[in-house]
Order: sequence, then C-alpha cells, then structure tokens
Amino acid sequence: ILNVEQSPQSLHVQEGDSTNFTCSFPSSNFYALHWYRWETAKSPEALFVMTLNGDEKKKGRISATLNTKEGYSYLYIKGSQPEDSATYLCAFIGYSNYQLIWGAGTKLIIKP
Amino acid sequence: DAGVIQSPRHEVTEMGQEVTLRCKPISGHNSLFWYRQTMMRGLELLIYFNNNVPIDDSGMPEDRFSAKMPNASFSTLKIQPSEPRDSAVYFCASSYPQGGADQPQHFGDGTRLSIL
Repeated sequence: ILNVEQSPQSLHVQEGDSTNFTCSFPSSNFYALHWYRWETAKSPEALFVMTLNGDEKKKGRISATLNTKEGYSYLYIKGSQPEDSATYLCAFIGYSNYQLIWGAGTKLIIKP
Repeated sequence: DAGVIQSPRHEVTEMGQEVTLRCKPISGHNSLFWYRQTMMRGLELLIYFNNNVPIDDSGMPEDRFSAKMPNASFSTLKIQPSEPRDSAVYFCASSYPQGGADQPQHFGDGTRLSIL
C-alpha cells in the first residue's frame, strides 16, 4: 500500500513569519511529486511538479525541495501573508501505476 | 484560456433521482480525472481516462456510479439512483500528456452535490 503523509495536519502562523511543512512518500519507484494549493471554496491549483532528486523550485515566496532517496519534500513559505491561507496538498506518482496518490493536506492559517 | 469547465456548479436533488455531472477538459489535454471531496476522506480519485479510454475505475464507489467520455472534449459522471451519502463536491481535472505523471492537473471549479 502506497502512503503519502503530510505534516502537520494544520498550522497557525503569524503574518510575516516564515513556515514550512512536510510531505513524506515512498522512496522506491519514484516518478514525480506534485504540490497543490487549495483555497476554501475553490479548486486545487498546481504549484510545482518535481521529478529529480535535489530539485528545488520557487514561485514567488513559495519554494519546495525534493529528496527522493529518503522520500520527503518540504514546502516553504517566506513572509506569510493572509492570502497564503489554504490547504497545501502533495501527491506522489510512482512508476508502478502513474496515478497520483494524494496526501491529506496541511491546512495553513495565517493570523493577521 | 478557458480552463476545465464543469456543470452544474450546484445540484440539489432528492434521493433516488439520477444525477449527471458534466466536464469539458482543457483543449488538447488527453487525460481526464474525476474526483470526489468529502470531509471524511478528503480528495478521492474516482476514475480517470486517457485518450477517452477509462484506465482505472477502481475508485468508483459502487455500481450506481458510471462515467463516460464519448469524445476528447466531454465527459459525464452519472449517479443512478442517488443517495444522501453521495453528497459531496465532485471535481474534474485534466492534464497533458498521457496520465499527467509529470504534468500538473488542472481542476474545474467543482460541482457541489446535495442529495436530500
């Protein structure tokens, strides 16, 4: 059974602070890792697709790193803003079936 | 550019009625996914199509659910007969190329379904 774990489940961060959270996934048969941002009452929006060990991707104040050998990815948000409040989902794809296996998400709440 | 278009946005119907949800993927995308979001289970993949062919429907809850993709620009998810426990938000997503493995999925706005 393939498991994708995200931690923490939820996170309250003061506006202006930086934060990070984790996605853990199986380290064997790795093909790609996706990160999505999901605002309440909206649909998930793709942030990053990462495929190579050591990958680091950045989009504005948000960045992500990837370690496929140990099976984890970190998402970092620098200088959190209220508009960053959302659930951040990661999803793993393995060579075995090329389907996204979704984590349960980290719910981020930015306190003004 | 038009994104993934789902209809209706909201549907309220009585138990036992047939429900049909519709999705138009982004033009040129050849993979299409149907998801269900519930409080208990989060985001669940129901079925996905590649080049209009259903590849994996193991997430379809039971025989009351069926999905079709008659052409590259249209898909339906049907529930017949509907039950209150089917109440959820149903998302459609598309991606390019095959299987979307290293391409992001683009989600529609979802259909909020309430079965009374």
